[in-house]
Amino acid sequence: ETGVTQSPTHLIKTRGQQVTLRCSSQSGHNTVSWYQQALGQGPQFIFQYYREEENGRGNFPPRFSGLQFPNYSSELNVNALELDDSALYLCASSPNQGNYGYTFGSGTRLTVV
Amino acid sequence: GDSVTQMEGPVTLSEEAFLTINCTYTATGYPSLFWYVQYPGEGLQLLLKATKADDKGSNKGFEATYRKETTSFHLEKGSVQVSDSAVYFCALTGGGYNKLIFGAGTRLAVHP
Repeated sequence: ETGVTQSPTHLIKTRGQQVTLRCSSQSGHNTVSWYQQALGQGPQFIFQYYREEENGRGNFPPRFSGLQFPNYSSELNVNALELDDSALYLCASSPNQGNYGYTFGSGTRLTVV
Repeated sequence: GDSVTQMEGPVTLSEEAFLTINCTYTATGYPSLFWYVQYPGEGLQLLLKATKADDKGSNKGFEATYRKETTSFHLEKGSVQVSDSAVYFCALTGGGYNKLIFGAGTRLAVHP
């Protein structure tokens, strides 16, 4: 079975631009979560989608938004990029809202200049 | 709110040394506990987990026991290898909807 795949792997954007990151969840997984990992820190929870509905959100501003599609793949959108948005963005999927843990993708490294 | 505290790194060991990375947590309810590992330039890989008090998670020679009385989940390995060099994250599921709450991570460097 394929795991969690994310695209692109690296991205450079200019402050004020918008970006879309993509994630394909592991086969059979209906829950997708997104995390932001700044350099040298642990990942921070952004939000979670379960069967196409957002069912949890961390302490991130509304310019961070997302979608989950019927095939359970997901997008993370960030508007009005700021320099502090530079980070590794991780997608994680689970078969049942994380009751037994999550499988992570390799991440998208976003650099905002 | 729920939180995880890990020992600061880096931890530097010689090959075949004994490893302990301390992790303590604060949580309401009964969280599940996890150790994830991150190799350079990669995402997170689940190393082991424990879902209730006194459970022991184990994988690839690593072990950790869920200690409710001391709110701890320390990671141990009897004999580390150079290939174990990575950053290790302790985490719990909490705060509703099973989101993962991570510690800051501990970098391990193993030398031949």
